[in-house]
Amino acid sequence: AQKVTQAQTEISVVEKEDVTLDCVYETRDTTYYLFWYKQPPSGELVFLIRRNSFDEQNEISGRYSWNFQKSTSSFNFTITASQVVDSAVYFCALSDLTDSWGKLQFGAGTQVVVTP
Amino acid sequence: NAGVTQTPKFQVLKTGQSMTLQCAQDMNHNSMYWYRQDPGMGLRLIYYSASEGTTDKGEVPNGYNVSRLNKREFSLRLESAAPSQTSVYFCASSEGQGALVYEQYFGPGTRLTVT
Repeated sequence: AQKVTQAQTEISVVEKEDVTLDCVYETRDTTYYLFWYKQPPSGELVFLIRRNSFDEQNEISGRYSWNFQKSTSSFNFTITASQVVDSAVYFCALSDLTDSWGKLQFGAGTQVVVTP
Repeated sequence: NAGVTQTPKFQVLKTGQSMTLQCAQDMNHNSMYWYRQDPGMGLRLIYYSASEGTTDKGEVPNGYNVSRLNKREFSLRLESAAPSQTSVYFCASSEGQGALVYEQYFGPGTRLTVT
């Protein structure tokens, strides 16, 4: 069963627009970790953030921000004032206690295309 | 620090041929992983090694074998390649897991085509 759902396959924006990527996860555990990774056109995977289930504080890092809502099982990612360099595939991933402790279960990814 | 390195970067095999993908990390990480990435499916775990001397199956282990040669190196072997194994393969490493789960750092990937 898909445990991480990224319903948006592709999002296209014009530079300077904000873009929000949705991530909905499914777990029966109260202890789990969530991650976001970026895969630019060059192909490598770049770690962006790690969040555990006991820390619901939202996080901001430069133009990136993350909204963790346990009530809706979502961990959404917003890029503010997008730039062409933000064009990439973004993956959300889950590691939960019962099925995948220490291992990552990835969503299918969301392709972000930022045009000048 | 090179981080996680993988060889080769590209490979073309004929059906039935065998090959080994090599992975090494210089971050003194305990855990290592092999994933495959196929279009529209994200990354799927093939095998992992939680610590030196141990290996376990992931989500899609059929057709693959692994060896954790030492703490630094973790290889993936295709004994008899099939077209369904055409994919991009990523190796990753992390500090490991105990009470905490740490982020994984990925190698640059190997693009494998089986004809």
